[in-house]
Amino acid sequence: DAGVTQSPTHLIKTRGQQVTLRCSPKSGHDTVSWYQQALGQGPQFIFQYYEEEERQRGNFPDRFSGHQFPNYSSELNVNALLLGDSALYLCASSLVGDTEAFFGQGTRLTVV
Amino acid sequence: QKEVEQDPGPLSVPEGAIVSLNCTYSNSAFQYFMWYRQYSRKGPELLMYTYSSGNKEDGRFTAQVDKSSKYISLFIRDSQPSDSATYLCAMSNAGGTSYGKLTFGQGTILTVHP
Repeated sequence: DAGVTQSPTHLIKTRGQQVTLRCSPKSGHDTVSWYQQALGQGPQFIFQYYEEEERQRGNFPDRFSGHQFPNYSSELNVNALLLGDSALYLCASSLVGDTEAFFGQGTRLTVV
Repeated sequence: QKEVEQDPGPLSVPEGAIVSLNCTYSNSAFQYFMWYRQYSRKGPELLMYTYSSGNKEDGRFTAQVDKSSKYISLFIRDSQPSDSATYLCAMSNAGGTSYGKLTFGQGTILTVHP
């Protein structure tokens, strides 16, 4: 049974560019959440998607947007990249109504 | 003040020691409590999942929740070098608009030396 998979694993972008990260949830899961983890910190909640809609959002600017597809996979888009956006981006999947969440290996984004 | 406080350590113990990891929190709406283990450059792995107060045991791991004190703990018995990782506590509300959102502590770096 495949767990949560994320792509790409690593990414280097230039300040001001745009980036798209992808996530496939664990089989049977229908809810996807995205987190940002800065070096030496715990993950910070960005937003959550269910039924192709953003269900709730953390304290992140509108430069961060997302999408969920009918097969439950999800994308995270970040526009106008800043140096401070450099972090490990984590995708977590769960079943609606259940708070038990499983994480992917993350995408390490470096903005130069 | 952060909603969840966790001592970042680092914590270094000899193999076979009992390890105690702790988090405190301020949001009384938290009902679900989790511990994740994160190896370097990897995603967090769910270790323990607890609802409300009480104890839960799984092999060498025991999770405790004391909601009256807003304090949770993870105990690791007979610690092994393979337990060396960052341990993250996470919490979630039972319902409402924040349902399903996990709030994490900073993480505690643990090293178990042979």
